[in-house]
Amino acid sequence: EPEVTQTPSHQVTQMGQEVILRCVPISNHLYFYWYRQILGQKVEFLVSFYNNEISEKSEIFDDQFSVERPDGSNFTLKIRSTKLEDSAMYFCASSVPWGDTGELFFGEGSRLTVL
Amino acid sequence: ILNVEQSPQSLHVQEGDSTNFTCSFPSSNFYALHWYRWETAKSPEALFVMTLNGDEKKKGRISATLNTKEGYSYLYIKGSQPEDSATYLCAFIAGGSYIPTFGRGTSLIVHP
Repeated sequence: EPEVTQTPSHQVTQMGQEVILRCVPISNHLYFYWYRQILGQKVEFLVSFYNNEISEKSEIFDDQFSVERPDGSNFTLKIRSTKLEDSAMYFCASSVPWGDTGELFFGEGSRLTVL
Repeated sequence: ILNVEQSPQSLHVQEGDSTNFTCSFPSSNFYALHWYRWETAKSPEALFVMTLNGDEKKKGRISATLNTKEGYSYLYIKGSQPEDSATYLCAFIAGGSYIPTFGRGTSLIVHP
């Protein structure tokens, strides 16, 4: 069964360093998302991506964040200069193209720890 | 900011008990509601996609109802089993945005 894959599963980084989280969405999906969950808090929306551009982003997704689909299969989230409060589980998700009511298919998450 | 609330936050039940929990969401501009099950160390998986007021969906021992006019959905588990232990998330989708906004989740632990 097709699945969304994410790498790395866990990354530890120093404050101020750049981090890139990678995702391979399901191949026939066209909508892509990044969500994050800070420990003990809600799953929060960061950004959605469609047709090679950001379709929507939250107030969390400031200038420190960027997304890219560099090669038609990978979907990356870059954090330019990490802060302690960026420590969270980051989830990538994708959905089918034929229905905005369609459910999201999630990866297993990348845990980011900023020291 | 859309307010999606889930209650209770956590629930401990015995194997065989039936249980239910609630997702509350804005009653205006409804487009769809999703329920997901999130087991520890796995990714969230969709249980139901609900779009119509009065919808009732069922998958095995799990069912869900939807009331868009008053802004709530119930998830029911009949005869809980230890393998039902997970966090259950609901996600509200507003018209125009189409971005799922998640509740905090209900953590269910079923004791054998």
